Amino acid sequence: QIQLVQSGPELKKPGESVKISCKASGYTFTDYAMHWVKQVPGKGLKWMGWINTYTGKPTYADDFKGRFVFSLEASASTANLQISNLKNEDTANVFCARRGLRGNWFAYWGQGTLVTVSS
Amino acid sequence: DIRMTQSPASLSASLGETVNIECLASEDIYSDLAWYQQKPGKSPQLLIYNANSLQNGVPSRFSGSGSGTQYSLKINSLQSEDVATYFCQQYNNYPRTFGGGTKLELK
Repeated sequence: QIQLVQSGPELKKPGESVKISCKASGYTFTDYAMHWVKQVPGKGLKWMGWINTYTGKPTYADDFKGRFVFSLEASASTANLQISNLKNEDTANVFCARRGLRGNWFAYWGQGTLVTVSS
Repeated sequence: DIRMTQSPASLSASLGETVNIECLASEDIYSDLAWYQQKPGKSPQLLIYNANSLQNGVPSRFSGSGSGTQYSLKINSLQSEDVATYFCQQYNNYPRTFGGGTKLELK
């Protein structure tokens, strides 16, 4: 079965960096793009962007340009998100998500990684 | 960007009641709309895609409708396990955008 398994929670200080991973299984990794979605605790969902898992090309939403980097370890069927120069407002649950077999809705989601930024 | 306006923001209903949640897009999204259910501490789960198609395994008391800019999610005969937050999302264009969510509680 298709699964997206993310790395564990992170506690960081402002100015530090964090790298979150999303390991896919149950399908051919390079056949489907990986998307990233941010959710501040108790708030709504915000799409961060996506990475083409075949070419490695990332696309970032406007609010996530500069400090955010999507990358791949294709041999390990893993997508990564690195956030540098962390700010308090980066405190959030971050999800990876994949579209469905027949359309662009998000049919598969990782379990989420909570990133907490606090001095 | 396509703005998704969801209403109401919160809703209290009784077991067995019928619930409706609305989602208004700022432009025509041609039924490229999904509904998700999210329970506390969990990731969103897909309920409906293409505005009115029920995802495999989702109870038939959930249904979606709409076209153009106006969409709705209907829950018939509310069950206790339906207590959750519901989000709409458009996938007609980038950036993908979500409604603000509707928190459903039991009365």
